[in-house]
Amino acid sequence: NAGVTQTPKFRVLKTGQSMTLLCAQDMNHEYMYWYRQDPGMGLRLIHYSVGEGTTAKGEVPDGYNVSRLKKQNFLLGLESAAPSQTSVYFCASSYSSTGDGPQHFGDGTRLSIL
Amino acid sequence: RKEVEQDPGPFNVPEGATVAFNCTYSNSASQSFFWYRQDCRKEPKLLMSVYSSGNEDGRFTAQLNRASQYISLLIRDSKLSDSATYLCAVFSGYSSASKIIFGSGTRLSIRP
Repeated sequence: NAGVTQTPKFRVLKTGQSMTLLCAQDMNHEYMYWYRQDPGMGLRLIHYSVGEGTTAKGEVPDGYNVSRLKKQNFLLGLESAAPSQTSVYFCASSYSSTGDGPQHFGDGTRLSIL
Repeated sequence: RKEVEQDPGPFNVPEGATVAFNCTYSNSASQSFFWYRQDCRKEPKLLMSVYSSGNEDGRFTAQLNRASQYISLLIRDSKLSDSATYLCAVFSGYSSASKIIFGSGTRLSIRP
């Protein structure tokens, strides 16, 4: 049982490049989340999804897009990367049907934008 | 005021000591509460959920104080392996505005 898997683990981009981060979960969870974590800032919610085909904005959605075409996958896209998006990105999922349950995290993607 | 606040620490305590830290939240309607542990450069991992009646898991005890709007985590007989950052998380609302907010974390360092 892999849980929550994120790919890639590390990536270096140049300003203006685009990329997609993939999150896959094999626990049949409804809710999925994308966070970024910066020193001293804690976890900040970028976007989340309450089920297949649905997405919603979190606290810091600007510059990111997401898609949830399949229940097990949640993709985070950066259309035009900026240095301010250098961060560690975590995906999480939750079994709760109302969003109030504990979250299971992937092991993160370390992204550097030059 | 932040919705969820934690003392960043670091708390530096000797092995075997008891240590406690709090997490305050601003939304009185918050319903669910959690403690996570995060090791350096790793993902957060659920340590325990926090129930209204308080709950204990081995050396760890979590409590909720709704009147004063905080949750606490007590670690007894601390081990070197307890060194980590502890994040609290608070869920508020069952509507389109519902969300879970994480604190910035409290760093704990256990010395031999």
